[in-house]
Amino acid sequence: QQQVKQSPQSLIVQKGGISIINCAYENTAFDYFPWYQQFPGKGPALLIAIRPDVSEKKEGRFTISFNKSAKQFSLHIMDSQPGDSATYFCAAREQGGKLIFGQGTELSVKP
Amino acid sequence: DAGVIQSPRHEVTEMGQEVTLRCKPISGHNSLFWYRQTMMRGLELLIYFNNNVPIDDSGMPEDRFSAKMPNASFSTLKIQPSEPRDSAVYFCASSLIPGGIRNIQYFGAGTRLSVL
Repeated sequence: QQQVKQSPQSLIVQKGGISIINCAYENTAFDYFPWYQQFPGKGPALLIAIRPDVSEKKEGRFTISFNKSAKQFSLHIMDSQPGDSATYFCAAREQGGKLIFGQGTELSVKP
Repeated sequence: DAGVIQSPRHEVTEMGQEVTLRCKPISGHNSLFWYRQTMMRGLELLIYFNNNVPIDDSGMPEDRFSAKMPNASFSTLKIQPSEPRDSAVYFCASSLIPGGIRNIQYFGAGTRLSVL
């Protein structure tokens, strides 16, 4: 049973465009929703995160939008750059600390 | 801080051999997680420890897999005997407990395992 569903699987965006990745979850007990960024040959690294009592969080060009009633959240990358090309994972944390990851989105930003 | 350190970075072995992956968490962190990443199944949590004690090993695929954390600065994941389907990238991550916004998991660079 996949508790966190992520889409799309892959995404191609032109430089300067907006990249949008969506996630949906099932367990209402999740207490923290991070996004991780992974470059080839590296481990995932925390990019931005949000608590379920907040509807939006912005850090630079990266924004998380959170819809608690719909049990959905999304990552928006504004002014996408070739250096943003990576795999992005959404995740949801159980209260014991365990992270449940989405399947990942491979983002390619074309110059 | 050097971050989470994993060794080896690459491991090639033959089916049936024992494989041991190693992890040194960030100093001061008291939670440690082992993940496996494959194209088909994505990132899967295998097991995690709090204060060196295994909390949840429900993700360990079968008895061939075992993990230990003898002290706060070292953990191993062992596969015996290894099989070709174990080929994957294995990540170790560490974090602080308890929960809260500071409970960020920091990942190592991973060990790429190939079982021939």
